[in-house]
This record gives sequence, structure tokens and C-alpha cells, in this order.
Amino acid sequence: GQQLNQSPQSMFIQEGEDVSMNCTSSSIFNTWLWYKQDPGEGPVLLIALYKAGELTSNGRLTAQFGITRKDSFLNISASIPSDVGIYFCAGQRYTSYDKVIFGPGTSLSVIP
Amino acid sequence: DTGVSQDPRHKITKRGQNVTFRCDPISEHNRLYWYRQTLGQGPEFLTYFQNEAQLEKSRLLSDRFSAERPKGSFSTLEIQRTEQGDSAMYLCASSLASLGAETQYFGPGTRLLVL
Repeated sequence: GQQLNQSPQSMFIQEGEDVSMNCTSSSIFNTWLWYKQDPGEGPVLLIALYKAGELTSNGRLTAQFGITRKDSFLNISASIPSDVGIYFCAGQRYTSYDKVIFGPGTSLSVIP
Repeated sequence: DTGVSQDPRHKITKRGQNVTFRCDPISEHNRLYWYRQTLGQGPEFLTYFQNEAQLEKSRLLSDRFSAERPKGSFSTLEIQRTEQGDSAMYLCASSLASLGAETQYFGPGTRLLVL
């Protein structure tokens, strides 16, 4: 079935550093999503991408929808302690209804 | 709070017991999804409703699992004869069907531990 791979699996960075993580798939997706999950909570949507090549920002976060529609990356600039959490990429085949297929996540730790 | 809510937040049960979880979606949302998440993994799709109709079920949803959304509002997920492998976080999400892109909003989850 469809599978997403995320790298790196985990990251330890100093506060103030920039972070980059990416997601690849063996299948094409028409929507790419980035979620953040804090311990004991549900995922919270950070950025949604709907068009190949699209670059979208949300505050210190920037994400891009790869041209091949099989990959996406997320950058976080000037990291702060509250950025700690697990970041999931996810894809949907269709822009209207489809289940969300999640990657395994990238765990981010920020050292003050 | 007008987000997706789930109840209970935590459930500990003994193997063989039945458990039921409830999800209240965002009020105007007509689509409701159930996902399961195990430690160190991303959520995996279980089933989905549009209004009261259950339109898709994953192979992960064994015969011991049943989900309902009787009036097209809240939903329940029941697990019969629980097994230790059922221990996981059960997440609910809701969305509003539209012609364009659709965003799913997740609840806080119900964490199940089967002893």
C-alpha cells in the first residue's frame, strides 16, 4: 500500500537553529499536509499544500509540495522550546475527501 | 471549546472486556473519521462516515470493532473482547465536505491500555 518515509527520525537542535525535515512517498499525492503532535494530544494541522511546486509559510514554518508530487519538506526557522514535538507529514490522494495517510514522524527536541 | 472532543481520554481495561469510545465532531462537520495510533507511529485510518453512513472501513478494523454515527453527529467506536494488541491511541477527526480541499481536524484522542 501507500507508504510515507520521513527523515530524519529524530533531531536534537539548539534553540535558535533552523530545522529541515522531509517526507517521500512511492506514490503520488494531490495534497500534502504537515501536522505537529504534542504528547497525549491529537495531531494539529500546521500547513496544507494543494499544488505541485507550492511553497507555503505559516509564521516560522515553511513547507513545499515537491514537483514530482512524491515529496515534501518542512522548514522551521529560529527554533524555540515550544517547537518540541513530533512532526508528521501526511498525504491525501484527492483534494476532496480522502483518508489521511501519515508518515512515521520526526521527533524534534530543542535544547534551550 | 468548539473543537473535536473525545471521551474518555484514557481507558484501562482487562483483556476480554468490551470498551466504547465517543467522539463529538465540530458541529457543522458532516464527515467523521476514526484513526488508530500506536507508539512511535503515525495515525492509521480505520473508518469514515459521511453524515450517518459508514462509507469506508480499513482492513485494520477487525470484526471485533464496530463504529456508529446514528444521527450524523457524534460517533461511537466499540471494541469487543479486547486484546492486548488493541492498546493504542484512538483518534477521531472531522471535516466539512466541500467541492474544494477539505481539512480534517483531530480530537485529543482516547488512549486505551488493555492489560
